[in-house]
Amino acid sequence: GENVEQHPSTLSVQEGDSAVIKCTYSDSASNYFPWYKQELGKRPQLIIDIRSNVGEKKDQRIAVTLNKTAKHFSLHITETQPEDSAVYFCAASIIGGATNKLIFGTGTLLAVQP
Amino acid sequence: ETGVTQSPTHLIKTRGQQVTLRCSSQSGHNTVSWYQQALGQGPQFIFQYYREEENGRGNFPPRFSGLQFPNYSSELNVNALELDDSALYLCASSTDQLIETQYFGPGTRLLVL
Repeated sequence: GENVEQHPSTLSVQEGDSAVIKCTYSDSASNYFPWYKQELGKRPQLIIDIRSNVGEKKDQRIAVTLNKTAKHFSLHITETQPEDSAVYFCAASIIGGATNKLIFGTGTLLAVQP
Repeated sequence: ETGVTQSPTHLIKTRGQQVTLRCSSQSGHNTVSWYQQALGQGPQFIFQYYREEENGRGNFPPRFSGLQFPNYSSELNVNALELDDSALYLCASSTDQLIETQYFGPGTRLLVL
């Protein structure tokens, strides 16, 4: 069935370092890949997304890369700051299918040490 | 913050009871999806409503049911509550079922004792 694997489950970095979170999806029909940031007790917030016709997308300190052949996509955060500390979820979806449900990964707890 | 709101914010129920959770979608959005997020896990898709019709369902039993109203607000109903139903219930709205971006509400935290 549809599945998204996410690694690592926890990631601790020093302020100013880079952080990379990786996801693998199973359904080759997936064509939309959002990343959500969820702070403790808060709603998931969309931080960046990418469609399957694009290999890379960047927004300031955040970038996402997609390898359709390998069915991998990754989140890259540069110059990390303490306020980047949160749980990050990747997700995959099929836009244009019967329903554009999001299949989420299991989450990565990112801790940025000052 | 998104324009998606949910009520109540917290709820405590006992096993066997029934619960109704509510979601008001962002203005202009006609599609609402519901997700269950157990502690320490990613959200799991329950079902989606598009223009008042169910438009896809995840791996949840029939005791999870929903409604969408003409103003596109939505309800999630859970009958015969079980302890494992304890979770954060999130709704997300989008402009259209074919539009990818989903905006989440703050969630309802349900505790079943």
